[in-house]
Amino acid sequence: EPEVTQTPSHQVTQMGQEVILRCVPISNHLYFYWYRQILGQKVEFLVSFYNNEISEKSEIFDDQFSVERPDGSNFTLKIRSTKLEDSAMYFCATTGGRNSPLHFGNGTRLTVT
Amino acid sequence: QKEVEQNSGPLSVPEGAIASLNCTYSDRGSQSFFWYRQYSGKSPELIMSIYSNGDKEDGRFTAQLNKASQYVSLLIRDSQPSDSATYLCAVPEINFGNEKLTFGTGTRLTIIP
Repeated sequence: EPEVTQTPSHQVTQMGQEVILRCVPISNHLYFYWYRQILGQKVEFLVSFYNNEISEKSEIFDDQFSVERPDGSNFTLKIRSTKLEDSAMYFCATTGGRNSPLHFGNGTRLTVT
Repeated sequence: QKEVEQNSGPLSVPEGAIASLNCTYSDRGSQSFFWYRQYSGKSPELIMSIYSNGDKEDGRFTAQLNKASQYVSLLIRDSQPSDSATYLCAVPEINFGNEKLTFGTGTRLTIIP
């Protein structure tokens, strides 16, 4: 069964540094999303991306965050100037249609020290 | 603000028994409902979706939806130790297809051998 692939599985970074989290969507999927889950808390929507632009973002997704699909393959989440509270699991999710269920990648655990 | 409420548990069920997980949602206009299973440190995995009032069965899993009561449940028959996980109820925001999911806090289920 096709999978959403995320790299790295674990990223440790120092406060103030920039990180890029990568996702390879399922090949025929057109809609891409980032969610995050702080340890012990709910899974939270961050952003949705379709046709090379953001279609919706949450209040969490401020100027510190950006997304792009630079090469038509990878879908990336960039976090500038990381803060301690950015430590979380970040999940990429994709779907072939807006009314189809989401398929989640295995996640990247981000630890900011 | 859309709310999705679940009893956080933990819920302990003997192996072979039926596990019953419940979820209520605040937005009366919601049309789609999803149950995800999440093992510790892993990503959410879709196990059931339901769109119409009534029951939907898939193997040992049955989802039940009552839109009038704004209530969706998941039954797991013949519970197995491998069913031990956190079960997340997710409801999309209206007018966003299935892309902007609001998750409940999840119910932690433990199957006792």
